[in-house]
Amino acid sequence: QVQLQESGPGLVKPSQTLSLTCPVSGSFINSHNYYWSWVRQPPGKGLEWIGYISNSGTTHYNPSLVSRALISADTSKNHLSLKLSAVTAADTAVYYCAGGSCADGLCQAFGYWGQGTLVTVS
Amino acid sequence: DIVMTQSPATLSVSPGERVSLSCRASQGVSRNLAWYQQKPGQAPRLLIDGASTRATGVPGRFSGSGSGTDFTLTISSLQSEDFAVYFCQHYNNWPWTFGPGTKVEIK
Repeated sequence: QVQLQESGPGLVKPSQTLSLTCPVSGSFINSHNYYWSWVRQPPGKGLEWIGYISNSGTTHYNPSLVSRALISADTSKNHLSLKLSAVTAADTAVYYCAGGSCADGLCQAFGYWGQGTLVTVS
Repeated sequence: DIVMTQSPATLSVSPGERVSLSCRASQGVSRNLAWYQQKPGQAPRLLIDGASTRATGVPGRFSGSGSGTDFTLTISSLQSEDFAVYFCQHYNNWPWTFGPGTKVEIK
C-alpha cells in the first residue's frame, strides 16, 4: 500500500523559498504504475492543485504558480519535492502530496494522500 | 482553465436522508471527474473516480453519475460519518482544477 508523508519547515519568511519533501513508501517513485502531485489548501478554504510529475519526470503546473513552483522526484531517496519561491502570506496553507495509480495507460484520480503539513508564511 | 462549480455550498440534512450534490464544469471533461470527501483535520479521501466508479472500500451508498459538464454525487442514506465537505475535481486536461466544495452538515 502506498503511503505518503510530507515534511518541511512549518514557518517560512516572506520572499523566501518554501521547500517540502514527501517520502514515498510502498512503491518506487518512478514506477509506471503511479503519478504524483502536490495540492494545497489555505486554512478554511478549498483545494488548489499545484502541479504533477509523471513516473518519467514530465511535469505540469497550475498556471497561477508555474513561475514559482518546482516539483521534482529523487529516485535515490524515493521522495518527491516541492519548492515554491518568493512566498507571500497568500501561500499559507496545508500542503499535501498526493498520487494516483495508473494501469494500461489510464490513470486514476488522487487515491493516495499524505496527512498534510501546515506551512505559514510570516 | 476549466472552472468547476458546486452546488449547493452548504446542505443541511438529517441522517437517513438521500442527498444529491451537483458539480458542473465550464467545459466538457468527458468522464474524467472525481469526488472526494474531507473531514476536519484530515486529508481528502477519494470516493468516486471516472465519474461513477467507487474507489476501493467506499460504501455502496455513494454513487456518481454524469458526463461532459454535469455531474452528481448521491448518498442514498446519509450516515453520521458522512457529514463532511465534498469536492469534485476534473483531470481531463491541464490544469486540473477542484470545485469549491459542498459542506454537508447535520440539520
